[in-house]
Amino acid sequence: RKEVEQDPGPFNVPEGATVAFNCTYSNSASQSFFWYRQDCRKEPKLLMSVYSSGNEDGRFTAQLNRASQYISLLIRDSKLSDSATYLCVVNVIGGSQGNLIFGKGTKLSVKP
Amino acid sequence: DADVTQTPRNRITKTGKRIMLECSQTKGHDRMYWYRQDPGLGLRLIYYSFDVKDINKGEISDGYSVSRQAQAKFSLSLESAIPNQTALYFCATSDMGQVNTGELFFGEGSRLTVL
Repeated sequence: RKEVEQDPGPFNVPEGATVAFNCTYSNSASQSFFWYRQDCRKEPKLLMSVYSSGNEDGRFTAQLNRASQYISLLIRDSKLSDSATYLCVVNVIGGSQGNLIFGKGTKLSVKP
Repeated sequence: DADVTQTPRNRITKTGKRIMLECSQTKGHDRMYWYRQDPGLGLRLIYYSFDVKDINKGEISDGYSVSRQAQAKFSLSLESAIPNQTALYFCATSDMGQVNTGELFFGEGSRLTVL
């Protein structure tokens, strides 16, 4: 089982739609969780951290379920500018991967 | 100016050539990383360094070597490039004090093509 798994998509949605991405992780010692955004041919950038109680940043909501080892990202009222690949990232302190483990990403395409 | 600068941004080379990708940062971070990204495979860690005297292999270090010349500089070398090393390479930095924030700061990437 891969350490961090995501549905690769692509998710093709119309503007204004609500879309949700899921991510599962295999290492129960994972300590912190994040979503990164990567635009086409650009570098990844941190979008938001994921807290145990769930957290929201504008149209973006992140949730964590430690028992199920599951993370989600919800985007409401999608904009054309939301089109990108969304990477689920897990931090394992002392892990062999330099701590941060990246999922392969879920591609979102928002259409007019 | 970018906080994490990679050179070259694009490079085409031939099989067997030695290639060096350079990374420099002005963020004052202790930790530096080299990743490669391939379609469908996501970001994979090649090497990482938590300080100048610390070098660690990542998931896919075979065929690569690194040098941490200073806190601000971390270079990646391909001693004898092969076509399956064609990829987009990213350098990244993070601050030890921010280990739980999960924030890596990436350079803009170096696209390497090996013919």
